[in-house]
Amino acid sequence: SQQGEEDPQALSIQEGENATMNCSYKTSINNLQWYRQNSGRGLVHLILIRSNEREKHSGRLRVTLDTSKKSSSLLITASRAADTASYFCATDLFGNQFYFGTGTSLTVIP
Amino acid sequence: DTAVSQTPKYLVTQMGNDKSIKCEQNLGHDTMYWYKQDSKKFLKIMFSYNNKELIINETVPNRFSPKSPDKAHLNLHINSLELGDSAVYFCASSQDRSQAGGYTFGSGTRLTVV
Repeated sequence: SQQGEEDPQALSIQEGENATMNCSYKTSINNLQWYRQNSGRGLVHLILIRSNEREKHSGRLRVTLDTSKKSSSLLITASRAADTASYFCATDLFGNQFYFGTGTSLTVIP
Repeated sequence: DTAVSQTPKYLVTQMGNDKSIKCEQNLGHDTMYWYKQDSKKFLKIMFSYNNKELIINETVPNRFSPKSPDKAHLNLHINSLELGDSAVYFCASSQDRSQAGGYTFGSGTRLTVV
């Protein structure tokens, strides 16, 4: 199916370190989005990057998109314990709904 | 004010029962969705409505029937519940079908079928 796949499945880092997670997808997309899900909660939209963009920033978040490799990365700089959550990428087919991957579970150790 | 609210938050029921989950959004969005998240956190689209019109109906058993009385509400009715229906169900909305602004999700309904 047309879903993003995140890598790694789980990531554990110390507070203050940077966290990088990757997303690969299968076919051409129009947009790619990243979401965060805290335990027991709904997903929260973090950032959207369009297929004609290569990089976007939002606070401590940096997202890159490489359409030739069909991959995206999410970098969280200077991580905090509050960043502990699962992170999902979501990719769309042109004009269709977004498909989600299974997420990267990030644990930031204080 | 909760942007996308769904009720109930938890639902425990026996196999064979019929249950409903309600969802309401106060964002003025045109498009609403139901997603199912399994135990491995995989999120799968089930249905999507745009201005009360069904636009996406993925391969979902016909025991699941969505209903949208108006564009602010999208309810999910499930007949003859099975053990495999146990999951967390998320309602979401987007401004329109282009989803350019991303989705706003509800906090989920954890359904447990025993």
